[in-house]
Amino acid sequence: GAGVSQSPRYKVAKRGQDVALRCDPISGHVSLFWYQQALGQGPEFLTYFQNEAQLDKSGLPSDRFFAERPEGSVSTLKIQRTQQEDSAVYLCASSLIPGSGTDTQYFGPGTRLTVL
Amino acid sequence: AQSVTQLGSHVSVSEGALVLLRCNYSSSVPPYLFWYVQYPNQGLQLLLKYTSAATLVKGINGFEAEFKKSETSFHLTKPSAHMSDAAEYFCAVSVKSGGSNYKLTFGKGTLLTVNP
Repeated sequence: GAGVSQSPRYKVAKRGQDVALRCDPISGHVSLFWYQQALGQGPEFLTYFQNEAQLDKSGLPSDRFFAERPEGSVSTLKIQRTQQEDSAVYLCASSLIPGSGTDTQYFGPGTRLTVL
Repeated sequence: AQSVTQLGSHVSVSEGALVLLRCNYSSSVPPYLFWYVQYPNQGLQLLLKYTSAATLVKGINGFEAEFKKSETSFHLTKPSAHMSDAAEYFCAVSVKSGGSNYKLTFGKGTLLTVNP
């Protein structure tokens, strides 16, 4: 596709359920990022992939959060045993050039997760 | 640590008036700075970025920003606001993280309202 796509766009989960959020980056983009955007806040970094390698997971808030990108393309962010504080919009972004501070990150529309 | 601060969580202007959204950065090294716009229920779209090539940066939709090292600022401006400019605007700095990759650190955002 022309841009980054994410699915589902909206997800409602009961507390304690596991959820999986999908990201399809722009074809050919090496770098893939996940961000979490709480209501009324700016996005916050969660994790980074270069191809299939997860090089930075310093932003993952707990061990309930897990991300993978097994073939270096599609990525999945999984949250186990969801809690109410996990309610947020989860944004995926991709960029072409790894290790570049100036390369543009292209964002998907996000998945809005609501935990009841 | 590198960070950005956006002054004013909400700015309201009349259609045709000047738009000024403020962003100050904190960085011990020359920063790479970005402005993104987010329309309701959409992902972030890059407006412009500063990569040290030129201090006055022109972006899409008539926006521009000037990097001022002496003031540690990167304010976003547009001479004449349109109704379609109503959105949330985020300033971000590219921060080296965990080796060779970079992540974006965002401000809290400024909601721009344009009145007819």
